[in-house]
Amino acid sequence: GAGVSQSPSNKVTEKGKDVELRCDPISGHTALYWYRQSLGQGLEFLIYFQGNSAPDKSGLPSDRFSAERTGGSVSTLTIQRTQQEDSAVYLCASSPRDRVVYTEAFFGQGTRLTVV
Amino acid sequence: AQSVTQLDSQVPVFEEAPVELRCNYSSSVSVYLFWYVQYPNQGLQLLLKYLSGSTLVKGINGFEAEFNKSQTSFHLRKPSVHISDTAEYFCAVSYNQGGKLIFGQGTELSVKP
Repeated sequence: GAGVSQSPSNKVTEKGKDVELRCDPISGHTALYWYRQSLGQGLEFLIYFQGNSAPDKSGLPSDRFSAERTGGSVSTLTIQRTQQEDSAVYLCASSPRDRVVYTEAFFGQGTRLTVV
Repeated sequence: AQSVTQLDSQVPVFEEAPVELRCNYSSSVSVYLFWYVQYPNQGLQLLLKYLSGSTLVKGINGFEAEFNKSQTSFHLRKPSVHISDTAEYFCAVSYNQGGKLIFGQGTELSVKP
């Protein structure tokens, strides 16, 4: 597809379970972001991957959260032992980031996570 | 700390009236500034961006924004809004060394007939 693809679009899970959220960025984009959007809140930065550089994990809220990006393409955000406060829409974005000129980030439709 | 502040969480306005959505960022030598729009039940899409050059930037749907370095602001304006402009608007900034996009809390624009 031409855009950023996220799966699943909706996920309901029981408190304490682990979940994996997937992001397929636009082909060729070197930068990939994860954000969290809670009800009535802005976009909270979680993690940023850029090429082969070490990811910027400064936004991950706790050690229950982790993310990987395999082969510089697909990324998986994992939340272990989910809590109700983890309920939110998780957004992925990718960008053809050029070190000289910054370009826009393209967003996926998000995964709505509900922890019950 | 790097931050973006959107001064208004909600802006109600009547159709065909002008609107300004305010955005301020923490100071830095060089910044890249963006406005994104999120229509109800949709993803975010880029409205406009400032990378360099002219401080007045024009975007889609008749929106424009002005980069003011001395006031560290990037306010979004539209001279005459439509019902279809009802959406959440997010200001975002990228700083030179970080690379990541930092978003404001969003402003909900509600256009009434």
